Amino acid sequence: GQNIDQPTEMTATEGAIVQINCTYQTSGFNGLFWYQQHAGEAPTFLSYNVLDGLEEKGRFSSFLSRSKGYSYLLLKELQMKDSASYLCAVRDRDYKLSFGAGTTVTVRA
Amino acid sequence: DTGVSQDPRHKITKRGQNVTFRCDPISEHNRLYWYRQTLGQGPEFLTYFQNEAQLEKSRLLSDRFSAERPKGSFSTLEIQRTEQGDSAMYLCASSLSGLADTDTQYFGPGTRLTVL
Repeated sequence: GQNIDQPTEMTATEGAIVQINCTYQTSGFNGLFWYQQHAGEAPTFLSYNVLDGLEEKGRFSSFLSRSKGYSYLLLKELQMKDSASYLCAVRDRDYKLSFGAGTTVTVRA
Repeated sequence: DTGVSQDPRHKITKRGQNVTFRCDPISEHNRLYWYRQTLGQGPEFLTYFQNEAQLEKSRLLSDRFSAERPKGSFSTLEIQRTEQGDSAMYLCASSLSGLADTDTQYFGPGTRLTVL
């Protein structure tokens, strides 16, 4: 099974940078995903890492260290619309996703 | 491409009734997944299909839960004899297996079930 930990809440100011950490223990690693979820809506795909290192996609970047069981999602130039829950998910060899409980990010003006 | 769709979006039912939810995946996606999400938690995997074959169903929460994907396209999730603890958001996701798409799962809008 999977054990995935991420902080419950984070608050940051508009225009700032926030880093959301995720640690995991897995019985078969086949990729790590980050999703964004606004209240009452479905998760939307943000990023995917399967090899160690940094993946950059516009204002969002995601990092993975498989040896440490660690990932982070970096949100730059925060905007009010970035206020949401951010879900870390680990995929196993059977392609099932196990999710963390999510980190609620609040962006203040 | 209209994305993953689910129907209904909301369902209110009385305890003991049966409910069925439908999911239409992104066209040409061969894998389809069902998850349940309760407030303050991430989605919890229930079951998944590759084409019409159900490859994993041990995570279904009880024998009251069943899922089908008869023609390898849309899928249904049925809950029999609903209980108040079944109240949750039921999410469907689909993916395309193969190297090009990294098998990324794309989620539908969900069906919110309330059991009175």
